Amino acid sequence: DGGITQSPKYLFRKEGQNVTLSCEQNLNHDAMYWYRQDPGQGLRLIYYSQIVNDFQKGDIAEGYSVSREKKESFPLTVTSAQKNPTAFYLCASSNNLLGRYSNQPQHFGDGTRLSIL
Amino acid sequence: KNEVEQSPQNLTAQEGEFITINCSYSVGISALHWLQQHPGGGIVSLFMLSSGKKKHGRLIATINIQEKHSSLHITASHPRDSAVYICAVLETSGSRLTFGEGTQLTVNP
Repeated sequence: DGGITQSPKYLFRKEGQNVTLSCEQNLNHDAMYWYRQDPGQGLRLIYYSQIVNDFQKGDIAEGYSVSREKKESFPLTVTSAQKNPTAFYLCASSNNLLGRYSNQPQHFGDGTRLSIL
Repeated sequence: KNEVEQSPQNLTAQEGEFITINCSYSVGISALHWLQQHPGGGIVSLFMLSSGKKKHGRLIATINIQEKHSSLHITASHPRDSAVYICAVLETSGSRLTFGEGTQLTVNP
């Protein structure tokens, strides 16, 4: 079945450590997104990518980095510069960049919960 | 004030009841999404609509563009409907979604 796979499901970070969250999709989607979810808040966009080797900052990109070397993969690195990394992280994809074709749904992964040791 | 407001924040119902969750937004949009987040965290897209009404099984979504308002209805609710329901809008000029805070629905048997 096609879908989005995020790993790991739970991740713990030590002070000063960078950690990388994996997101893989086999839907052949061009666009991929990373969101952060905090209690009592809506999802917020961290980074998005429209095409391989291209990505743009979202609303809360500070302390995060991404790469898009392959169409199916969009890993997110939470760097030591992100002072409040504890959150639930969701990866999503869509066939085309949202807005270009308004009838494009987003498909979501099951998320990674990141906590600080 | 958030661009996307959902009400209520929490909703508890008895099995079989008719459920309504509301979403109001303050920007011009090209589409509105209703999403369902399961207790484990995974999100499923329920509806995407830009006008009128859509129905899928026991779920109905409506949107009134002039009033900038959408509703999600669940008929004959069931405990398996217990989840967080999230409204998200795609602004007319944008390429990203703006999300509401979600409505926690609990359906008791």
